[in-house]
Amino acid sequence: DAGVTQSPTHLIKTRGQQVTLRCSPKSGHDTVSWYQQALGQGPQFIFQYYEEEERQRGNFPDRFSGHQFPNYSSELNVNALLLGDSALYLCASSLIFQVTMNTEAFFGQGTRLTVV
Amino acid sequence: QKEVEQNSGPLSVPEGAIASLNCTYSDRGSQSFFWYRQYSGKSPELIMSIYSNGDKEDGRFTAQLNKASQYVSLLIRDSQPSDSATYLCAVSPPGTGFQKLVFGTGTRLLVSP
Repeated sequence: DAGVTQSPTHLIKTRGQQVTLRCSPKSGHDTVSWYQQALGQGPQFIFQYYEEEERQRGNFPDRFSGHQFPNYSSELNVNALLLGDSALYLCASSLIFQVTMNTEAFFGQGTRLTVV
Repeated sequence: QKEVEQNSGPLSVPEGAIASLNCTYSDRGSQSFFWYRQYSGKSPELIMSIYSNGDKEDGRFTAQLNKASQYVSLLIRDSQPSDSATYLCAVSPPGTGFQKLVFGTGTRLLVSP
């Protein structure tokens, strides 16, 4: 049973550039959430995708956007990169119909983004 | 007030002891609570979930929830050096039904041999 997979694992970008991160959810899951984790902090919710639509969004600027494909995989795009965007970006997958019951989110290995 | 608060630690315990990790949350309507373990440089790994008041045991781990006090804890019995990691408390606030997780900053646990 494949878990949550993310690519790439590491990335170095220059300020002002754009980046795309990718995520494939755990087999059987239909919902993907993205989190940003700065060093020494807990993960911060960016947004969540279900049925190819953004369903919830955290306190992140519009430079952060995403997409979900029919096969439930997802992309996170960040435009006009800032030094402060350097962080571990985590993708979590879950199964939405269990949302009022035992919804458990499982994380991928993350993408370490460094902006220089 | 932070939505989810944890003592950053480090919490140091000797091998074989019980480690007690605590978390408080601000949104009284929260229904779902999770503990994740995160090794340095790795992603969070779900170790426990709890949804109703009381205790839930899974192997060496016990999660405790007290919604009236807005408090959730994790006990690790017979602590091992391999348990040394950061433990993240996560809460799913009430909302539309599309859940997000709000995390604390984590408690670093050090288990000495």
